[in-house]
Amino acid sequence: ILNVEQSPQSLHVQEGDSTNFTCSFPSSNFYALHWYRWETAKSPEALFVMTLNGDEKKKGRISATLNTKEGYSYLYIKGSQPEDSATYLCASPGSSASKIIFGSGTRLSIRP
Amino acid sequence: EAGVAQSPRYKIIEKRQSVAFWCNPISGHATLYWYQQILGQGPKLLIQFQNNGVVDDSQLPKDRFSAERLKGVDSTLKIQPAKLEDSAVYLCASSLRFGTVNTEAFFGQGTRLTVV
Repeated sequence: ILNVEQSPQSLHVQEGDSTNFTCSFPSSNFYALHWYRWETAKSPEALFVMTLNGDEKKKGRISATLNTKEGYSYLYIKGSQPEDSATYLCASPGSSASKIIFGSGTRLSIRP
Repeated sequence: EAGVAQSPRYKIIEKRQSVAFWCNPISGHATLYWYQQILGQGPKLLIQFQNNGVVDDSQLPKDRFSAERLKGVDSTLKIQPAKLEDSAVYLCASSLRFGTVNTEAFFGQGTRLTVV
């Protein structure tokens, strides 16, 4: 089973501060890296699907980078807002390249 | 476009009872996943369907869990008999084509199961 790891497990950030967290994955046989945001009482929602080494993607105040050679991706949130409070999940396909394997998530709380 | 529909949203049962969850994926999505998310952990893949065929069920506890996807559309996941450790959120997801390597998965809101 592919091991996708995320750190930190939880994070408390003051409103207005910027923050980032990490997803690591085996660099061999890389296919894609997904980031999802899961707000309480809602469905997980895709933020980014990244496939190329060096990829940088941005959606509003949230951006992500990808390093497939060393096996990590960073998610950045600039100027955190209360609505950013959620669990952020990263996922990568398994060896069959057909199924999503999730990390355990980073639970982000924004203090007003 | 309607999203992935799941029911029920919440279920409380006693151990050794049976329970079933239902999922209706987005129209036209060939791939359907069932995930189990235990508090404090990431979602764990239980079973993956491509149309009405099983692609992967390696982490499905087959002595008590079963799933089917008749006609390649709706799917049901059943637990019989339930154990305390089955308390979790059960998420259904679908994607347009085989695998989700380059395409996102769309999730339902999940069913929160509590076994007492």
